[in-house]
Amino acid sequence: SQQGEEDPQALSIQEGENATMNCSYKTSINNLQWYRQNSGRGLVHLILIRSNEREKHSGRLRVTLDTSKKSSSLLITASRAADTASYFCATDTGAQKLVFGQGTRLTINP
Amino acid sequence: NAGVTQTPKFQVLKTGQSMTLQCAQDMNHNSMYWYRQDPGMGLRLIYYSASEGTTDKGEVPNGYNVSRLNKREFSLRLESAAPSQTSVYFCASMSGWARRSYNSPLHFGNGTRLTVT
Repeated sequence: SQQGEEDPQALSIQEGENATMNCSYKTSINNLQWYRQNSGRGLVHLILIRSNEREKHSGRLRVTLDTSKKSSSLLITASRAADTASYFCATDTGAQKLVFGQGTRLTINP
Repeated sequence: NAGVTQTPKFQVLKTGQSMTLQCAQDMNHNSMYWYRQDPGMGLRLIYYSASEGTTDKGEVPNGYNVSRLNKREFSLRLESAAPSQTSVYFCASMSGWARRSYNSPLHFGNGTRLTVT
């Protein structure tokens, strides 16, 4: 099974609402990263949170990390149509590989 | 500043044919990666190169070979394509050293969509 697993697999909300995606992982990590992928494009890095950090903000993005529960969440506030994309978490376990989850497909309805 | 450039964007191969996917980055990054993305499977690492002159296997290396031609370029070769290699292939680069940690973000190209019939 995947080191990082996102939940939900798909999320559809109205423009202006907040979107929350979760990522769970199995082994201890050095850091966790979130990426966005627009349809037909490559992944774009959003935010990196280290294992000794609990929360980070970047514009309308807020990421939390709970190492005791081995989970992270990505909150997008005041969503826009342009936020429609797939979102992936990726974990650095120190094993020389960054392991990606299967992603959450987010749809923002106008 | 183009970032990570992949060619070709699309390719259709017949079973048994060979081809090379090209990747180049202009950010002077040390580490480069090849991933494949399949529906429901997320991204899986095929090979990576922690620095010029070195390459290492990832999670799914069978059926592939790579060459780190210089610091800028990292190519992926399919010697005898199989339908199971139908996928979207992404090249990525990172400024840090892959054998240490991933303290900096990966920069991705826009992918090569490969179909093997």
